[in-house]
Amino acid sequence: DGGITQSPKYLFRKEGQNVTLSCEQNLNHDAMYWYRQDPGQGLRLIYYSQIVNDFQKGDIAEGYSVSREKKESFPLTVTSAQKNPTAFYLCATRTGRPEAFFGQGTRLTVV
Amino acid sequence: GENVEQHPSTLSVQEGDSAVIKCTYSDSASNYFPWYKQELGKRPQLIIDIRSNVGEKKDQRIAVTLNKTAKHFSLHITETQPEDSAVYFCAASFDTGTASKLTFGTGTRLQVTL
Repeated sequence: DGGITQSPKYLFRKEGQNVTLSCEQNLNHDAMYWYRQDPGQGLRLIYYSQIVNDFQKGDIAEGYSVSREKKESFPLTVTSAQKNPTAFYLCATRTGRPEAFFGQGTRLTVV
Repeated sequence: GENVEQHPSTLSVQEGDSAVIKCTYSDSASNYFPWYKQELGKRPQLIIDIRSNVGEKKDQRIAVTLNKTAKHFSLHITETQPEDSAVYFCAASFDTGTASKLTFGTGTRLQVTL
């Protein structure tokens, strides 16, 4: 089923808390991406990584942090600095081909 | 950076009719244009893509056209079926053979009615 696993599927965060979303892939893809999806705004890029130990900010990186210690894993931390974190978060991977493969997503809600 | 605009935001068609979704992009260097379909509660999945050296590509009931001069590309779905109901996203990137950024449009919610 795509080889990309996002967990958890649903996540609830209290205001002021940091939370970490997991993304694991077994496709051996070099590049990994995090997108945020809000109604009517499409998919907006948060961070991306093309190789291990390297990553770049996307269009809406403020309030988020990532790490890429292993090729298979690209966790996203939503920090307390992100004032409006409620959204659907999608992880994606790409390799030498341009097609992007997406995980099932994590729906984050602030309570 | 690249900016992709997509229209319309919602589209309702009767089963059997055609549907057309249009996108424009800003970066003339972009050379790869995919279309993704996202069913309710599911992940986006690639349905068709086109590179800048091709003007049109067809796969059964789905086709994509590209006008590089005008910097716009379109998705055409013929003989629509209820299972075509979903949100469709266009995207653009400058693909150099290694991983690069995909910039997405804001999506079109297609509803196929019986």
